[in-house]
Amino acid sequence: EDKVVQSPLSLVVHEGDTVTLNCSYEVTNFRSLLWYKQEKKAPTFLFMLTSSGIEKKSGRLSSILDKKELFSILNITATQTGDSAVYLCAPRFRTATPTNAGGTSYGKLTFGQGTILTVHP
Amino acid sequence: EAQVTQNPRYLITVTGKKLTVTCSQNMNHEYMSWYRQDPGLGLRQIYYSMNVEVTDKGDVPEGYKVSRKEKRNFPLILESPSPNQTSLYFCASSNELRGQPQHFGDGTRLSIL
Repeated sequence: EDKVVQSPLSLVVHEGDTVTLNCSYEVTNFRSLLWYKQEKKAPTFLFMLTSSGIEKKSGRLSSILDKKELFSILNITATQTGDSAVYLCAPRFRTATPTNAGGTSYGKLTFGQGTILTVHP
Repeated sequence: EAQVTQNPRYLITVTGKKLTVTCSQNMNHEYMSWYRQDPGLGLRQIYYSMNVEVTDKGDVPEGYKVSRKEKRNFPLILESPSPNQTSLYFCASSNELRGQPQHFGDGTRLSIL
């Protein structure tokens, strides 16, 4: 059974701190891993990782994937109160081809429980 | 503006009264999916659709139906809602063939009394 574990489940820091969020997974037919940030409503896309060892960076956020050890980390440097959110990781993997799909296999996302990050001023 | 639109955003209803949550996307995505989000359980997939008239069960399909008659629309149907279907529901779409990330709607908070 596919499994995704995020840690820690909850984290409280002060502005300016650096945080590292972890995501380990066990999925068959792995295709890629996505990170999302969820505030009050819809998850918003942060990163998609497909290759091991290549860091993706966007401002103060960065992420990297290790396909051999089956984990990914999301780093946030110089945290701000606006970083407070739930961070979700979601490995994507190929599904078994459905019988009515004309032979096309598609990716399926399995989400972890999320890490609740709270940044205090 | 590229978006996924869900309606209604909030609904309180009673056990057994059929309801439909609509989802529409304007990005010409072939892939659409429904999730429910519950405290401590994360996002779980209910149903997904790979194209018009092509749908399949996700991880928690019991008590739900879907249809995909047009590419842009993917409604979620609860024929006989029960209190255990009280949850936050998200619709998402993507261009899966190109490996692009899923875009989410703003969510529908459903309460079944």
